[in-house]
Amino acid sequence: KAGVTQTPRYLIKTRGQQVTLSCSPISGHRSVSWYQQTPGQGLQFLFEYFSETQRNKGNFPGRFSGRQFSNSRSEMNVSTLELGDSALYLCASSWTSGRAGYNEQFFGPGTRLTVL
Amino acid sequence: KNEVEQSPQNLTAQEGEFITINCSYSVGISALHWLQQHPGGGIVSLFMLSSGKKKHGRLIATINIQEKHSSLHITASHPRDSAVYICAVARNFGNEKLTFGTGTRLTIIP
Repeated sequence: KAGVTQTPRYLIKTRGQQVTLSCSPISGHRSVSWYQQTPGQGLQFLFEYFSETQRNKGNFPGRFSGRQFSNSRSEMNVSTLELGDSALYLCASSWTSGRAGYNEQFFGPGTRLTVL
Repeated sequence: KNEVEQSPQNLTAQEGEFITINCSYSVGISALHWLQQHPGGGIVSLFMLSSGKKKHGRLIATINIQEKHSSLHITASHPRDSAVYICAVARNFGNEKLTFGTGTRLTIIP
């Protein structure tokens, strides 16, 4: 079974631009979570989508948004990029029935975003 | 105070040594991950624990739910074990949201 894939793997943008990152979960997985990793803040939870609905959200400004499609693929978007948005963005997928409770997550390779 | 604390932050050891990395957390959890990240990015989940102990090859992970503490042990360490090890917890009622420790940078010298 193929793992979680993320595209693109590397991206360079300038301040003020917007960016869209894509994540394809493991086949059959219906939950996709997004995380940001920076040297200063470490790994932080952005949001989680299940069945095309945002189920959980971290403490990030509204410039960070996401969505999930009917095939469970997910995108996240960052608008009006700032230098501090330079980070590794990871997504993870899990199989879940949608009931409350944790299901093991599997991580993708990440997208490294550099904002100049 | 962070909800998830790891120690040590950095660890350098000789090849063959027994390694222990500790993780303490302050919230109720439904599961705990030990993650490995090599330079260049990708994160791999080594273990997911909700109780007891798990072993995979030279790696052992334990968790004590009452004491809110977990340990990752590496026996017969090898230079290829050099990586950052991150503890992550899934809080009760938090579904898939993970909260991460700051990581332990492990360097094994040949």
